[in-house]
Amino acid sequence: DVKVTQSSRYLVKRTGEKVFLECVQDMDHENMFWYRQDPGLGLRLIYFSYDVKMKEKGDIPEGYSVSREKKERFSLILESASTNQTSMYLCASCPGTLSYILPTYEQYFGPGTRLTVT
Amino acid sequence: AQSVTQLDSHVSVSEGTPVLLRCNYSSSYSPSLFWYVQHPNKGLQLLLKYTSAATLVKGINGFEAEFKKSETSFHLTKPSAHMSDAAEYFCVVSDGSSNTGKLIFGQGTTLQVKP
Repeated sequence: DVKVTQSSRYLVKRTGEKVFLECVQDMDHENMFWYRQDPGLGLRLIYFSYDVKMKEKGDIPEGYSVSREKKERFSLILESASTNQTSMYLCASCPGTLSYILPTYEQYFGPGTRLTVT
Repeated sequence: AQSVTQLDSHVSVSEGTPVLLRCNYSSSYSPSLFWYVQHPNKGLQLLLKYTSAATLVKGINGFEAEFKKSETSFHLTKPSAHMSDAAEYFCVVSDGSSNTGKLIFGQGTTLQVKP
């Protein structure tokens, strides 16, 4: 079974703090994704990565950055947390080559990190 | 551009009665469509996917969905609801305009199952 793990289930941080959310997958997938989930909005893509040290902006990258130093690990960084970043954050991975991800590929999701910024 | 609309934010059924969760999509390309389920405090799990093979797709736990191109719909159904089906359901389309694997999510439908 594919397993995607996230470092924390719940996190409470103060405004202005630097926040790291970690995601690890064990299936040697090239592609990893970070989403945030808010009620009534579904999931929105923040950043994704095709390979180590590669990253692409998603739909809502403002206020976030990412790091992928190892294939299995994809980190989401909030440089200076703000209250509007209070949300559920979900990490996902899927197979696919560097140059092509089939639209039919399933993404495998972690359990999520519920971040509260006060 | 691709988009997904889930027509109901909340659906309530009684245990043993049929479930219908409605989804319409918009896509300029032959879409790949998915339904994911999220149980409370859990990650998303794939229920089923349509990938241009059979238009009636069967998934896990007795769910199925029918791809109707003429209606641009991909509704999720189950003949008989079980208490364990209570969860949030997401209709998802894959962005076929690029090779990014990007998924576009609907807003979600919360399914309540009453005893």
